Amino acid sequence: SQELEQSPQSLIVQEGKNLTINCTSSKTLYGLYWYKQKYGEGLIFLMMLQKGGEEKSHEKITAKLDEKKQQSSLHITASQPSHAGIYLCGADTGANNLFFGTGTRLTVIP
Amino acid sequence: DAGVIQSPRHEVTEMGQEVTLRCKPISGHNSLFWYRQTMMRGLELLIYFNNNVPIDDSGMPEDRFSAKMPNASFSTLKIQPSEPRDSAVYFCASSYPGPSSGANVLTFGAGSRLTVL
Repeated sequence: SQELEQSPQSLIVQEGKNLTINCTSSKTLYGLYWYKQKYGEGLIFLMMLQKGGEEKSHEKITAKLDEKKQQSSLHITASQPSHAGIYLCGADTGANNLFFGTGTRLTVIP
Repeated sequence: DAGVIQSPRHEVTEMGQEVTLRCKPISGHNSLFWYRQTMMRGLELLIYFNNNVPIDDSGMPEDRFSAKMPNASFSTLKIQPSEPRDSAVYFCASSYPGPSSGANVLTFGAGSRLTVL
């Protein structure tokens, strides 16, 4: 079965610092989705990547999917306390199954 | 649109009791997913429906769990009898047009936090 591994599991950064979260798949991805979850709430969609080498940005968050479509990174520039939460990558394997990685808990210290 | 609506938001029950969680997907969405989130196992897909038909229930833990979608605007997840290890946050999500399209952006509800004593 396919697995999604995220690293790091948790991250504590000072406000204003840049950070990167990685998501690695054991199989080729048909689609890679990034979500953010605030503590005690549901998941909010951030970005979707489908093509190898694709890169998307929204405000200070940039996500990339590597050429082999097995690894994605999420980069936050000049982090703010509002960026705090749990970031999850989700994978569509093309087999009508959408599942999520283990999550990365981000804390931003003011 | 009000988004995906789940109820109850919180449920505390005793072991052995029946628990029913409810979900109203976004109007027009034809796929519905039930997930369970725990600290130990993260976010697990339990079951999903496409056009009200269960497509994959391989994630349902055991026979104590059942899910139904009688129409396009309502789904239930039932646990009978409940056990302490079922304590988790249960999320419902919906999407359009469906996972096979290659563009499966899910909209999640706020979740139902279940505690089984």
